Formats: sequence, C-alpha cells, structure tokens
Amino acid sequence: DSGVTQTPKHLITATGQRVTLRCSPRSGDLSVYWYQQSLDQGLQFLIQYYNGEERAKGNILERFSAQQFPDLHSELNLSSLELGDSALYFCASSPGQGVTDTQYFGPGTRLTVL
Amino acid sequence: AQSVAQPEDQVNVAEGNPLTVKCTYSVSGNPYLFWYVQYPNRGLQFLLKYITGDNLVKGSYGFEAEFNKSQTSFHLKKPSALVSDSALYFCAVRENSNSGYALNFGKGTSLLVTP
Repeated sequence: DSGVTQTPKHLITATGQRVTLRCSPRSGDLSVYWYQQSLDQGLQFLIQYYNGEERAKGNILERFSAQQFPDLHSELNLSSLELGDSALYFCASSPGQGVTDTQYFGPGTRLTVL
Repeated sequence: AQSVAQPEDQVNVAEGNPLTVKCTYSVSGNPYLFWYVQYPNRGLQFLLKYITGDNLVKGSYGFEAEFNKSQTSFHLKKPSALVSDSALYFCAVRENSNSGYALNFGKGTSLLVTP
C-alpha cells in the first residue's frame, strides 16, 4: 500500500457525460501528478500540482481539468466524455517537486465510457 | 525530451533463473531513472531509482538495476526469479523541461516466470 488513495475504483458512464476522479496523496506529500494508462497510448502524464498550484502540463485534453485543494487532495474532472477516454487513471504523489523525488502511485480509477 | 525504450514486449524466464528486463534511455543532461512494477489490477509500485553515485542500484523485492552510461542503459535484474515476480515492468525517466518533473514511461515489459 503506497498511502495514496483514489476513488472511485471503477466508473462506468456514457459518452458526453462528466465525471470527477478524486485522489488523496500520502501524508505530507505536496505534489500530485495525474497519469492516464491506455492500451494504445501507454502511460501518459496529464498534469501536476504542487501545494495547490498547477506546475506542469502534459498531454491533457482541453476537456479535462484538475485542481488541488487546501487539504492537498486533488480532483481530475473529465467532461464531454468520448469512448477513447476509457482508461485507467492514476494519481501519484511525492514529497516535493524535486527532480529526484520518488512518485508513489495510487491504485487507479478504471473509467469505462459506453 | 527525455525518453526511455524497453525493447522487449515480453520476457520469459524459469523460476530460479536470473532475469533481466532491458531499458535504454535518451536524455540531455543528467539521467534520473526509475523502475516500477504493476501487478494485475493494481497501481504502479516503485522498485528503485538511479540519481547519481553507484552504478548498481539495489531496490525492493531483491531487484537491482545496473546503470551504464556508455551504453545508455538501465537494465533491471534479479539473481533468482520467483513466479510471483510475474508482472508488467516499467522503466521511466524524469522529465525536467516544461513538463516539470513528471515521469516519462517506457511502454512496459511483461515478465512471465514459469515454475
């Protein structure tokens, strides 16, 4: 158990809908990262937050957004969902934002768009 | 951009034999390299990382990795494989450009250890 929690574990929804994925980092970690894992794209970095502020963006679609709250938990919002958004979404956390910091991953949320 | 390549989709090894999962990297500047393992329906678990120093890095569950600068490789090794080591293994490099410090992952290597 990494100490990173994600809810829900599974999410099934329809095209065009909006969902929110939640992540609680390890105690004391200030950085939160979101990744998407799909069969065709592999593991891709979406976005990073550090202590409430957005720090870096990867291959995140405009339909997706995220935020980190004062208690450091983070939410990833996915809207106007398409079939291709079906994937495993991981959250990871690290103590800071140093280049040598280890990222610890949560168990993931499996999103299925029908 | 920093990147890693895992040239093998699958590695098969018999229990008790040594295993190697290959990874090569391409970076500008200092490489910061990581190995993670993913068991079915689970998240990624951190195994080990290379930051600087000794070229042989020891990690969790008896795994180690050898950093080779001249060959730009960071292969994951274990002297004696267990059936329970069967999983998906990812090599990753730390980005340090406008992507912040995210991890850039290889496509993964499936390890199958047979009894």
